[in-house]
Amino acid sequence: NAGVTQTPKFQVLKTGQSMTLQCAQDMNHEYMSWYRQDPGMGLRLIHYSVGAGITDQGEVPNGYNVSRSTTEDFPLRLLSAAPSQTSVYFCASSYSAAAIPGLPFNEQFFGPGTRLTVL
Amino acid sequence: EDQVTQSPEALRLQEGESSSLNCSYTVSGLRGLFWYRQDPGKGPEFLFTLYSAGEEKEKERLKATLTKKESFLHITAPKPEDSATYLCAALMNTGFQKLVFGTGTRLLVSP
Repeated sequence: NAGVTQTPKFQVLKTGQSMTLQCAQDMNHEYMSWYRQDPGMGLRLIHYSVGAGITDQGEVPNGYNVSRSTTEDFPLRLLSAAPSQTSVYFCASSYSAAAIPGLPFNEQFFGPGTRLTVL
Repeated sequence: EDQVTQSPEALRLQEGESSSLNCSYTVSGLRGLFWYRQDPGKGPEFLFTLYSAGEEKEKERLKATLTKKESFLHITAPKPEDSATYLCAALMNTGFQKLVFGTGTRLLVSP
């Protein structure tokens, strides 16, 4: 298994440009999510999906779109890049979306990240 | 406001010098507390999940403990390969996995 893969690894954009960050997993995981990691702020949830065709907003969704047409793929789209979106982006997946009392938490597997710079 | 705070921000140890990292949390309805290890340029790697106060988990030189307000990651006789950033995250009391992450502790173990 390749686990969670992300492309590209690095990207430089100009303000106003759009692009898509790719994320794929080959573990048949139900739950997928996107985080951004900024210095001094920790990982913050952007969007998540609990299954194909189902997505929802996280803590910092503005400026980003997602869709999930297959179980394997969960792309993140930047509609009009801004310097404030300069960050490292991580995709994560887990077997189940549920956090049910009394049952083990399904650990999240993270991808290697995409380092994005917006000029 | 739900918040997770880690201390210290950075820690430098000599090989074999044991220490502890702290993660304090103020969240409504904690469902679980998680520890991850992150190496430079890589994604976080899962270490432990703790669900209730008093619970402890161990893995090699690492032991995680949980109280009602904080969690500790104890590192016993660390080696240089333990150098990494250690992240903790609190699972909120929602029906899905919503994690609130701390900013991490950068650990450097010198030979």
